[in-house]
Amino acid sequence: GAVVSQHPSRVICKSGTSVKIECRSLDFQATTMFWYRQFPKQSLMLMATSNEGSKATYEQGVEKDKFLINHASLTLSTLTVTSAHPEDSSFYICSARDVRDYGYTFGSGTRLTVV
Amino acid sequence: AQSVSQHNHHVILSEAASLELGCNYSYGGTVNLFWYVQYPGQHLQLLLKYFSGDPLVKGIKGFEAEFIKSKFSFNLRKPSVQWSDTAEYFCAVGQGSGNTGKLIFGQGTTLQVKP
Repeated sequence: GAVVSQHPSRVICKSGTSVKIECRSLDFQATTMFWYRQFPKQSLMLMATSNEGSKATYEQGVEKDKFLINHASLTLSTLTVTSAHPEDSSFYICSARDVRDYGYTFGSGTRLTVV
Repeated sequence: AQSVSQHNHHVILSEAASLELGCNYSYGGTVNLFWYVQYPGQHLQLLLKYFSGDPLVKGIKGFEAEFIKSKFSFNLRKPSVQWSDTAEYFCAVGQGSGNTGKLIFGQGTTLQVKP
């Protein structure tokens, strides 16, 4: 089945630094990928839709200059949290949509802790 | 605005009891419907999905869901739950056709099955 690899799984960074999270579709092409944020005991909140070769579409309230998304190829999207602060600490999850069956496959998530 | 609502936030059942988790959505266009499960410490796994055809969908692990278009509902059911079904369950709605439709999640339902 379709597999999405997300790295790193855990990262701790200092306040003010930037962190890059990668999301790769391993055995299928994904022209569209999605980035979510999940707080403890809560649901997944869609942050942005990443489109290969074009600018990402951000949901209302998500700062595009803080959460930089790049989708440079059909199998890779990256999320960079810039100038991270403790309130950015969260669980970030990516998802890729398989053009073959329109199913959504999720990465295993990245636990970001900003200290 | 589009939304997905799960009415049961926390459900506690004994083993062998029947389960039904409610899910309603508000979106007038073409939708794809999904139920995902998240076991403690693990990533999201697809239980079942509905795109078209028979509104009664059978998924993995004995789960099924029924799409009732007139009620904008997609309730999840299982005749007899097991202790291993303890997890977080999310209903999700994919909007639009093609491979660009974003996936919106409900708030999630925590299921606790007592042995």
